Amino acid sequence: DGGITQSPKYLFRKEGQNVTLSCEQNLNHDAMYWYRQDPGQGLRLIYYSQIVNDFQKGDIAEGYSVSREKKESFPLTVTSAQKNPTAFYLCASSMVLAGDEQFFGPGTRLTVL
Amino acid sequence: SQKIEQNSEALNIQEGKTATLTCNYTNYSPAYLQWYRQDPGRGPVFLLLIRENEKEKRKERLKVTFDTTLKQSLFHITASQPADSATYLCALGGLTGGGNKLTFGTGTQLKVEL
Repeated sequence: DGGITQSPKYLFRKEGQNVTLSCEQNLNHDAMYWYRQDPGQGLRLIYYSQIVNDFQKGDIAEGYSVSREKKESFPLTVTSAQKNPTAFYLCASSMVLAGDEQFFGPGTRLTVL
Repeated sequence: SQKIEQNSEALNIQEGKTATLTCNYTNYSPAYLQWYRQDPGRGPVFLLLIRENEKEKRKERLKVTFDTTLKQSLFHITASQPADSATYLCALGGLTGGGNKLTFGTGTQLKVEL
């Protein structure tokens, strides 16, 4: 059953704690992405990776970090430096040809108390 | 400044009518544009791709147009059904230095009523 998974679906953390969101895909896609979505807003790109062991900052990378040690996995760490981390986080993957569609995971809703 | 604008207010239409959603952009030169559907609490799902050299694409009840002079894309759903109710996002791609990144609009919420 091919797809992209994110865990957990809901996550609660205390202010000042780092938290890592999981994203795994078995679609054999080279590219992976992390987006943040706030209520009534579109998706904003945090980080993306087009190949293993390489990644680039998106539009709102401050306070976040990622790693891409395996093709299938692209975890996102929300650090204590992120001023307003409560949001809906979406992971996506795609091939790298121009125009290729992105496949999205179900999302993780992070609430910082 | 760069902007992608979609109808900020929800679009309410009657079942069976054609829904038309707008995506306008400023100070971007996309090589292609994609449309996604998003249901509440879920990730977006890809619907259609249209490239800068294409005027129109169709898929079943869906039609998208792309006018690079007006910097606008229109997304049409014909014979709309209550199951079409969702938020629809446009996304620009192939931007300079962007690789395969997409830049998303804020989305338009569509409600199809019986």
